[in-house]
Amino acid sequence: DGGITQSPKYLFRKEGQNVTLSCEQNLNHDAMYWYRQDPGQGLRLIYYSQIVNDFQKGDIAEGYSVSREKKESFPLTVTSAQKNPTAFYLCASSIDGAGNTIYFGEGSWLTVV
Amino acid sequence: GNSVTQMEGPVTLSEEAFLTINCTYTATGYPSLFWYVQYPGEGLQLLLKATKADDKGSNKGFEATYRKETTSFHLEKGSVQVSDSAVYFCALSRSNYQLIWGAGTKLIIKP
Repeated sequence: DGGITQSPKYLFRKEGQNVTLSCEQNLNHDAMYWYRQDPGQGLRLIYYSQIVNDFQKGDIAEGYSVSREKKESFPLTVTSAQKNPTAFYLCASSIDGAGNTIYFGEGSWLTVV
Repeated sequence: GNSVTQMEGPVTLSEEAFLTINCTYTATGYPSLFWYVQYPGEGLQLLLKATKADDKGSNKGFEATYRKETTSFHLEKGSVQVSDSAVYFCALSRSNYQLIWGAGTKLIIKP
């Protein structure tokens, strides 16, 4: 089945540690995104990538890093510099950035303990 | 600047009631408008969209009409079911890199 796979679903991190969230898509989409969702709030864009080997900061990029070495993969690293990392993280993709429908993965819950 | 305003939730209805979730926007030009739905513990799914004024998006019994004169894109359903309980997000875009999201409206349907 085509879609977006995020892993892990649940992740616990100790303070001071970096963690990486995986996102893989087999939809042959050029554009990929990472969003953060906090309880009772809308989505905020962390990073996006229009094409392989290229990515841009979104509204809340501080404390996060990404890479786009392959078209199908867009991992997100939550670094120790992110002061409040506990949240629900959503990966998404679209054919391109021209206003086409965005498809989402099922999300990853990150909790700092 | 661009913005999206949704009615605050939670909205609580009985099964088979009529649903309206209000969404208004501010934007220059002609953005595309979307409704996404998020079921508990899951990612978002596109529910419907409209790309130009007077377009009506529809899916699974839900409808929304792109009203440029009132800058609105209200979500409606004639008869809700318990399975419609979810959080609904209104959003606008001119490109995917400029998606503007509403805060979401939680819908609770009681049997």
